[in-house]
Amino acid sequence: DTAVSQTPKYLVTQMGNDKSIKCEQNLGHDTMYWYKQDSKKFLKIMFSYNNKELIINETVPNRFSPKSPDKAHLNLHINSLELGDSAVYFCASSQRWDDNNSPLHFGNGTRLTVT
Amino acid sequence: DAKTTQPNSMESNEEEPVHLPCNHSTISGTDYIHWYRQLPSQGPEYVIHGLTSNVNNRMASLAIAEDRKSSTLILHRATLRDAAVYYCILRADRGSTLGRLYFGRGTQLTVWP
Repeated sequence: DTAVSQTPKYLVTQMGNDKSIKCEQNLGHDTMYWYKQDSKKFLKIMFSYNNKELIINETVPNRFSPKSPDKAHLNLHINSLELGDSAVYFCASSQRWDDNNSPLHFGNGTRLTVT
Repeated sequence: DAKTTQPNSMESNEEEPVHLPCNHSTISGTDYIHWYRQLPSQGPEYVIHGLTSNVNNRMASLAIAEDRKSSTLILHRATLRDAAVYYCILRADRGSTLGRLYFGRGTQLTVWP
């Protein structure tokens, strides 16, 4: 059973479109994250939710809107897609966000290509 | 944001030990040292972490210098499956960067059969 699962695995779309990526974790964790890995392979945190509440918003454009319907799900909606949004988006979860003894568990990523 | 320095790449032969170094000279007293790895086409995977003392788990060992300005991830017997990018990350225990992992470029480990 996959602990952190994301859908879709691949997403190809045109500039200006709106798209969503879904994430689910079955680990019973309280905290979920979105990270972005760009073409140069740098991984950067975007958002974090703890028990459905936004706790980290790392200066991401307003076109990106995370939504957490419950603590097992964290979706990422992107409006008006731009070429620069092309990247691999990783969802992750951890038992607690503020505990160093609580490692992150990552999904296998969603590769978004904007044409 | 990344406050660690790692070699871009390292190579090892299968079944040999691998020592992956990391420098973090600006580490604060409350920063933990975390290691993650990323296999091709997969998300990062937690490996090990520590604060001051050396740590061992089923995947690896972490040796932390006495002054905490450097650390070494030790894979005792490399396998082909260990070929990955290894990230050394300082994770704050408090303050404005709490809860965040800042990834650098990492070390690309190649394992030869």
